[in-house]
Amino acid sequence: NAGVMQNPRHLVRRRGQEARLRCSPMKGHSHVYWYRQLPEEGLKFMVYLQKENIIDESGMPKERFSAEFPKEGPSILRIQQVVRGDSAAYFCASSPLDRGVNSPLHFGNGTRLTVT
Amino acid sequence: EDKVVQSPLSLVVHEGDTVTLNCSYEVTNFRSLLWYKQEKKAPTFLFMLTSSGIEKKSGRLSSILDKKELFSILNITATQTGDSAVYLCAVTSGGSNYKLTFGKGTLLTVNP
Repeated sequence: NAGVMQNPRHLVRRRGQEARLRCSPMKGHSHVYWYRQLPEEGLKFMVYLQKENIIDESGMPKERFSAEFPKEGPSILRIQQVVRGDSAAYFCASSPLDRGVNSPLHFGNGTRLTVT
Repeated sequence: EDKVVQSPLSLVVHEGDTVTLNCSYEVTNFRSLLWYKQEKKAPTFLFMLTSSGIEKKSGRLSSILDKKELFSILNITATQTGDSAVYLCAVTSGGSNYKLTFGKGTLLTVNP
């Protein structure tokens, strides 16, 4: 069984460009979660999505960041007009619709974004 | 705001040593505590603890939770170089089982 797939593994962008990070959940999973790991910091929750719905975006920066999980295709985390402070590892996790109350999250390998 | 503090921040041992990693937390309406191992890529799930005093064990790794004193420990016996990684502790709280609050991790280096 393939795990959570993220691409690209590494992404380099210049300041002001857009970054698009993709996450394909595990087969049969319909919930996706994005986390960000800044240098020297712990992972922090960003957003929780179900197909075509944003359930909880309380961890998303208010500007320049958006996320979607369309009916078909991967979930996309989009960062517009990137700044150096956006340089981080972005991790995605997924879960099935009927996950147990205490099921742990399983993460993908992440995308390392570097803004130059 | 929920808070997770891990200690030590880093640790260097020799193969065969036993190590204990610590995790303390301050959480409103605690739900669960999780341990992950992170090498150069994805955090890999190790344990989930919800009840005090019940040890979870997997091979040379074990973990236990103390909900009264608000901490957990992760033990690794007979360490191997492959155990070198960052070990992350996280908690969930309230009605959410997806919004993990992570500590900064303990960097474990096992030398041959």
